[in-house]
Amino acid sequence: SQTIHQWPATLVQPVGSPLSLECTVEGTSNPNLYWYRQAAGRGLQLLFYSVGIGQISSEVPQNLSASRPQDRQFILSSKKLLLSDSGFYLCAWSVAGVTYNSPLHFGNGTRLTVT
Amino acid sequence: ILNVEQSPQSLHVQEGDSTNFTCSFPSSNFYALHWYRWETAKSPEALFVMTLNGDEKKKGQISATLNTKEGYSYLYIKGSQPEDSATYLCAFYMAYSGAGSYQLTFGKGTKLSVIP
Repeated sequence: SQTIHQWPATLVQPVGSPLSLECTVEGTSNPNLYWYRQAAGRGLQLLFYSVGIGQISSEVPQNLSASRPQDRQFILSSKKLLLSDSGFYLCAWSVAGVTYNSPLHFGNGTRLTVT
Repeated sequence: ILNVEQSPQSLHVQEGDSTNFTCSFPSSNFYALHWYRWETAKSPEALFVMTLNGDEKKKGQISATLNTKEGYSYLYIKGSQPEDSATYLCAFYMAYSGAGSYQLTFGKGTKLSVIP
């Protein structure tokens, strides 16, 4: 069966510090991978998605970046965090190929607080 | 900018009550409507993926209907139990001009609390 691991679960970082959140998927090949963020009082917002190694698409301009160094590894990074980066970050995967009728499978999330 | 609206924002019901909530979405260029359940301290879990107008899906005591022409979906819970307490999210997938859009636009969710 497929599993998704996301870490860390919680993180408190000062403004201006770097960020690295990691997500790995097991039990499936070439998944579509996603990073979502839920800011306070808002719905889940797609930040990045990837259909393959090294292929990253960004949905919103921001000071975050994503990388996919391996087929089932997805990393969310920032060189300098802003207060507005605080939120709950979720990694997700879906099966490769046609996506609209494939459900997303989410990790447990990371609560990021930038102080 | 796509708007996916969910109502009500929150709901408190007694154990055994049946309840329903609404997801509204743009009715043009429809591809799919997803429902997810998000329990506290857990990750969102897919309930239904609906693609056809008139679709009805059922999972246990939870069911959903879809009207793509008027742009809404209803989620019904029959005989709510405390374990049904969660935030229910809907997400809308629309075809974008140009290739390769993989975005589901999520609503803010309906938070259901079932009181024992």
